[in-house]
Amino acid sequence: EPEVTQTPSHQVTQMGQEVILRCVPISNHLYFYWYRQILGQKVEFLVSFYNNEISEKSEIFDDQFSVERPDGSNFTLKIRSTKLEDSAMYFCASSELKRGMNTEAFFGQGTRLTVV
Amino acid sequence: AQSVSQHNHHVILSEAASLELGCNYSYGGTVNLFWYVQYPGQHLQLLLKYFSGDPLVKGIKGFEAEFIKSKFSFNLRKPSVQWSDTAEYFCAVKDDYKLSFGAGTTVTVRA
Repeated sequence: EPEVTQTPSHQVTQMGQEVILRCVPISNHLYFYWYRQILGQKVEFLVSFYNNEISEKSEIFDDQFSVERPDGSNFTLKIRSTKLEDSAMYFCASSELKRGMNTEAFFGQGTRLTVV
Repeated sequence: AQSVSQHNHHVILSEAASLELGCNYSYGGTVNLFWYVQYPGQHLQLLLKYFSGDPLVKGIKGFEAEFIKSKFSFNLRKPSVQWSDTAEYFCAVKDDYKLSFGAGTTVTVRA
């Protein structure tokens, strides 16, 4: 069964460093998402991406964040200068259609980011 | 903008007890509704979904949910829980653009 894969599963980084979280969405999917879950809190929407551009982003997704689809298979989330409060589980998801109804998002296993 | 409310933060119950988790959303347009489960140390998995049709939806592992449009609710139920149902449960609502999650309910089932 096709699945969304994320690497690494766990990344530890020093405050102020740049990190790139990688995701490989399901191959025929066209719509991609990043979510994060701070420990003990709810899953929060960060950004959605379609046709090589951001469709929607939340207020969390500030100038420190960026997304890219560099090669037609990977979908990356970059945090330019990490802060302690960026420590969270980051989930990538993809869905089959551009947008719209009657679609479900498939989630990856997540990358646990720890900023020290 | 839509919001999703889950009424219970933590539910503790014994095996074989019945479970019902409440979910309400605020969006007035057409939505798709989901329940996801996150077992300890694992990723989000889809339990069930509602797109249209029969408002009583059956999912995996004996779970079901009922969409009540007039109440903007999508409550999750299971008649008899097992220890293995210990997990975090998230209600999610999708409009045309994004999927929004509730805060989650931690369910602890005691043997």
